[in-house]
Amino acid sequence: TQLLEQSPQFLSIQEGENLTVYCNSSSVFSSLQWYRQEPGEGPVLLVTVVTGGEVKKLKRLTFQFGDARKDSSLHITAAQPGDTGLYLCAGAGRLPKNQFYFGTGTSLTVIP
Amino acid sequence: DTGVSQDPRHKITKRGQNVTFRCDPISEHNRLYWYRQTLGQGPEFLTYFQNEAQLEKSRLLSDRFSAERPKGSFSTLEIQRTEQGDSAMYLCASSFSQGTYEQYFGPGTRLTVT
Repeated sequence: TQLLEQSPQFLSIQEGENLTVYCNSSSVFSSLQWYRQEPGEGPVLLVTVVTGGEVKKLKRLTFQFGDARKDSSLHITAAQPGDTGLYLCAGAGRLPKNQFYFGTGTSLTVIP
Repeated sequence: DTGVSQDPRHKITKRGQNVTFRCDPISEHNRLYWYRQTLGQGPEFLTYFQNEAQLEKSRLLSDRFSAERPKGSFSTLEIQRTEQGDSAMYLCASSFSQGTYEQYFGPGTRLTVT
């Protein structure tokens, strides 16, 4: 059973297009992280969201945490080939705060 | 400190052999986590330590898997009697034990069991 479901699983777009990745769960999380992972490397932390309804922007990336802290989205504006990678969301359980639950991942390819 | 490091980066072993991986966390972090990741999937939690105490190990995949963190600094993950199904990327991460528990990952160890 996957605690966090991401959609879409695969995404291939042209450079300059916009895209949104979704991370959904029936569980409530105390915080949620987004990571980007390149082949053969470990995930790299992009952002942490904590408060329900919170929106964070990181250059062309916009992250939102759902009001109920069960879901999140990642929006990329004007995608570039350097955005290519596996995007992972991870939720920190409310109790106990000792495990992260990773999503299924979204593999993004941006075609020049 | 330059981040989490793992050694080796790649390991090829024959079925039935034992393997051991090492992880050196960010020095200020007191929590250390081990994950396994197969191709195209998100990391799967295995176990974690706070200082030298192993606080969760029920999700280790089998009794062939064990982890140690004897002095609360580096950690080792051992797999005994490896099987082909153990082939995967093994990731280590570290974090503080308070706040948002943001985890910082190492580059991983790629294990191939032939």
